[in-house]
Amino acid sequence: KAGVTQTPRYLIKTRGQQVTLSCSPISGHRSVSWYQQTPGQGLQFLFEYFSETQRNKGNFPGRFSGRQFSNSRSEMNVSTLELGDSALYLCGSSRDRDTYEQYFGPGTRLTVT
Amino acid sequence: AQSVAQPEDQVNVAEGNPLTVKCTYSVSGNPYLFWYVQYPNRGLQFLLKYITGDNLVKGSYGFEAEFNKSQTSFHLKKPSALVSDSALYFCAVRAPSGSARQLTFGSGTQLTVLP
Repeated sequence: KAGVTQTPRYLIKTRGQQVTLSCSPISGHRSVSWYQQTPGQGLQFLFEYFSETQRNKGNFPGRFSGRQFSNSRSEMNVSTLELGDSALYLCGSSRDRDTYEQYFGPGTRLTVT
Repeated sequence: AQSVAQPEDQVNVAEGNPLTVKCTYSVSGNPYLFWYVQYPNRGLQFLLKYITGDNLVKGSYGFEAEFNKSQTSFHLKKPSALVSDSALYFCAVRAPSGSARQLTFGSGTQLTVLP
């Protein structure tokens, strides 16, 4: 069974631009969560999607948004990029909201210059 | 609010020796606890979880963890370390119920196994 797929793997953007990251969960998994990993702040929760609805959101500004499609694939968008948005963005999937463990993709490394 | 502490940024151990990576947590109610490992330029790999039951849980690659409710700890252990175990290890906690299903991670512990 294929794991969690994230595209692109690497991305370089300029301040002020916007970016869209994609996540395809494991087949049959319907819950997708996004996390930001930085050396200074560690791993921080961004948002959780289930059945195309955002169920929970972390403490991030409104520039960070996301959505989930009917096939459970998810995208996250960051508008008006700032240097501090440079990070590894990880997507985790689980079968449903009550399944305990999440399985993660390799991440998208975003660099903002 | 839930939180996780990993008091050691770095743990060094000789190959063949036992290893312990420490984790303490804070959460309302009974916790759901997890260990993940991250290799360079890779995502997080699930190792093991504690939900309920036996305090000693076994996971992938020979790792195990001991849940101690009185000390609010969930230390990761392995009887005999391998050089290939060298990686970044994260402890995580999830609230048992309610709307917040996200994982809260510790700051990570870099494990280096010396040959």
